[in-house]
Amino acid sequence: SQQGEEDPQALSIQEGENATMNCSYKTSINNLQWYRQNSGRGLVHLILIRSNEREKHSGRLRVTLDTSKKSSSLLITASRAADTASYFCATRNNNDMRFGAGTRLTVKP
Amino acid sequence: DTEVTQTPKHLVMGMTNKKSLKCEQHMGHRAMYWYKQKAKKPPELMFVYSYEKLSINESVPSRFSPECPNSSLLNLHLHALQPEDSALYLCASSPSRADGYTFGSGTRLTVV
Repeated sequence: SQQGEEDPQALSIQEGENATMNCSYKTSINNLQWYRQNSGRGLVHLILIRSNEREKHSGRLRVTLDTSKKSSSLLITASRAADTASYFCATRNNNDMRFGAGTRLTVKP
Repeated sequence: DTEVTQTPKHLVMGMTNKKSLKCEQHMGHRAMYWYKQKAKKPPELMFVYSYEKLSINESVPSRFSPECPNSSLLNLHLHALQPEDSALYLCASSPSRADGYTFGSGTRLTVV
């Protein structure tokens, strides 16, 4: 069963623009992770943020976590056509990791 | 070696067949997972192995049977599947259950 819900479901932007995706979840978590999936392939781990962290950066990625609102956001700056993919948040509690519905990002050259 | 290798990449099987999916990692990860993903949907957890012991079975039908022969290998045995079981089957591993996962590229299964 899903834990996180992402919005928007789909996002289309021009190359060079920033892309922001949001994730909301329902139960308490140990950490929240973001993954990327190119069409029909395996998922690639992007970034993990622990429940006691508020913000994390990795290259062009910036993730924020607000545990009081049970929400997270993923910002991709200076997007490239190669960033076109589906992006999933995944929340981890004491049991295991569950994925949100995902955001389909299209970056037009 | 920083990969999770899944074989085969594609599999077509009849409803009366028996087949197995294989997953292998040599990163020393002690947790391994099977996920099922239907088109345009998120991955759904099926099984979790921790230190070669099955720790979570998400009410998966018995026609799916996992096996963890050693810390590097994870199999998923398939028997008497239904067409609705057609999906992308993803294997993942992590150093422990608290860490980020490394996914394989999946097996695209079609049941005819």
